[in-house]
Amino acid sequence: AQSVTQLGSHVSVSEGALVLLRCNYSSSVPPYLFWYVQYPNQGLQLLLKYTTGATLVKGINGFEAEFKKSETSFHLTKPSAHMSDAAEYFCAVTRLGGYNKLIFGAGTRLAVHP
Amino acid sequence: EPEVTQTPSHQVTQMGQEVILRCVPISNHLYFYWYRQILGQKVEFLVSFYNNEISEKSEIFDDQFSVERPDGSNFTLKIRSTKLEDSAMYFCASSEEGTLSSGWFFGPGTRLTVL
Repeated sequence: AQSVTQLGSHVSVSEGALVLLRCNYSSSVPPYLFWYVQYPNQGLQLLLKYTTGATLVKGINGFEAEFKKSETSFHLTKPSAHMSDAAEYFCAVTRLGGYNKLIFGAGTRLAVHP
Repeated sequence: EPEVTQTPSHQVTQMGQEVILRCVPISNHLYFYWYRQILGQKVEFLVSFYNNEISEKSEIFDDQFSVERPDGSNFTLKIRSTKLEDSAMYFCASSEEGTLSSGWFFGPGTRLTVL
């Protein structure tokens, strides 16, 4: 079975500060990992994904995440927060095969203050 | 850019009533999904649908739930007799191939409130 844990339901940072959103996964098979973002009144938008290959993955809006198998982690980072980054962020995992349902974490709401 | 749309954005209903949540997936997509998120909890998979039949469903998706693709564009989720615990945000998603390369596209969600 696969699962995802996101540490911290709410994270608050200052504009210009480092953003770090934590995600740990559990999977008995090689995982495929995703970060989605949800802005108010919008759908879930894919930020980035890890499938195979390079463990440091770059996504949209300056975000990146690093797959660390030894730590079963896929933390999301951005060097400098912008006010427009305020949103809810979801980490998700799936596996190869089947119709590929996504298993989501509970989400982390990011607040960015001036 | 094509997008998944959902209606209504917010639905309020009385316990025991039937509700139908509607989704219009992206037009060339073949795989369709419903997920839900109870306030403060995880986004949970409900059901996947391909080739006019359910391909996988979770244990949440009991006999009170059904899905349908009544025409070439809509994908609906019906809850026959709503319970208080059905109150949640319901997300529809679609995928061209259901694969990692094609990805999944989500709608903005319908917030269902059962009183």
